[in-house]
Amino acid sequence: AQSVTQLGSHVSVSEGALVLLRCNYSSSVPPYLFWYVQYPNQGLQLLLKYTTGATLVKGINGFEAEFKKSETSFHLTKPSAHMSDAAEYFCAVIFSNTGNQFYFGTGTSLTVIP
Amino acid sequence: ETGVTQSPTHLIKTRGQQVTLRCSSQSGHNTVSWYQQALGQGPQFIFQYYREEENGRGNFPPRFSGLQFPNYSSELNVNALELDDSALYLCASSYGQGGSEQYFGPGTRLTVT
Repeated sequence: AQSVTQLGSHVSVSEGALVLLRCNYSSSVPPYLFWYVQYPNQGLQLLLKYTTGATLVKGINGFEAEFKKSETSFHLTKPSAHMSDAAEYFCAVIFSNTGNQFYFGTGTSLTVIP
Repeated sequence: ETGVTQSPTHLIKTRGQQVTLRCSSQSGHNTVSWYQQALGQGPQFIFQYYREEENGRGNFPPRFSGLQFPNYSSELNVNALELDDSALYLCASSYGQGGSEQYFGPGTRLTVT
């Protein structure tokens, strides 16, 4: 069955430390991959996406993610965490046979410790 | 360029009632998708409308229905409300039928008592 898994519902990092948020998907065909961020009481904002081409994609606010087909992963990273990065992060996938339906992971809440 | 807007922001309804939520898509977008986000969960796909026709549906019962209008704005209707319908309802707009990023509105917080 096709699925999206985010490992770690809560991640805490110190300000200035590396941020690593994990996302794995289950599919025999590479899907389209997205990362969204959600601040309290707000909608979702697109951070970055992978559809085709270069497997390392850069997004807004210094975030980047690498598509690794062999590991079926699309982990989100940022070299140096900032207090303003504290939010909920969602990995989302469009599987090739669904055409238009986004599947979201359960989210990872990022806390940044000063 | 105007972003995705939703109304109302908050809503409280009683079990068994009906509710209509509204969404205005971003300028230039012709596709609207609706999601239900329960507390502490990721958004769950309800359905999508493309050029006024339903273009995909998630695992939600028929009492969840929708419309898209010629200006590409959309409504989500929920009949016979249940307590478990309490959630944040998100609308997202995009261009085309598939594979493109979706732009989300701020959501409508529905509470069913």
